[in-house]
Amino acid sequence: QVQLQESGPGLVKPSETLSLTCTVSGDSVSSHSYYWSWIRQPPGKGLEWIGCIYYSGSTNYNPSLKSRVTISVDTSKNQFSLKLSSVTAADTALYYCARESLTMVRGVNYYSMDVWGKGTTVTVSS
Amino acid sequence: DIQLTQSPSFLSASVGDRVTITCRASQGISSYLAWYHQKPGKAPKLLIYGASTLQSGVPSRFSGSGSGTEFTLTISSLQPEDFATYYCQQLVSYPYTFGQGTKLEIK
Repeated sequence: QVQLQESGPGLVKPSETLSLTCTVSGDSVSSHSYYWSWIRQPPGKGLEWIGCIYYSGSTNYNPSLKSRVTISVDTSKNQFSLKLSSVTAADTALYYCARESLTMVRGVNYYSMDVWGKGTTVTVSS
Repeated sequence: DIQLTQSPSFLSASVGDRVTITCRASQGISSYLAWYHQKPGKAPKLLIYGASTLQSGVPSRFSGSGSGTEFTLTISSLQPEDFATYYCQQLVSYPYTFGQGTKLEIK
């Protein structure tokens, strides 16, 4: 059974860098079949896609965060990570990592986020 | 960015009811749409991908339809465990975006 587990500091000071790691078990981040994503959810609000990474290191980021975001993958540890720099209170959120799977349906490939971590809360405060 | 607008934002229904949630995209996304539900304190769970394909293990009372710019999620007979917030997501182009959510509450 595939499981994802987020870890990292729950409290970050304004202007500092938020760093989170997602540890994957039951699957490999080196698989050619998946992308690995980060999504966040501010308190009481909806979901925001942050970005994703392929095992090769190829990344895609949300332009709204692109100047501050770095996602990396460590295949030796079967982990992928998120760094968000220059944080403010607006970055306070529940952060999820997720597996993005590719499935063929009637000859067409569709992506979906089929496995999620439980999420980790990050508060930005001095 | 592709904007997704869900309606209604809030829905009150009873066990056994048939409910439909709509998701409209600001531009055509073919069938590159997924539906999730999220219970309080839990991560979102994938229900449907490719607009109409049921994820493995998801009950058949859930169904999805649509393509282009208008999509629907239907629950044929609400069960107590279905009361949650529902989100649509487009996965046709980056940045992936989600609808604002539909909170389904017990009447």
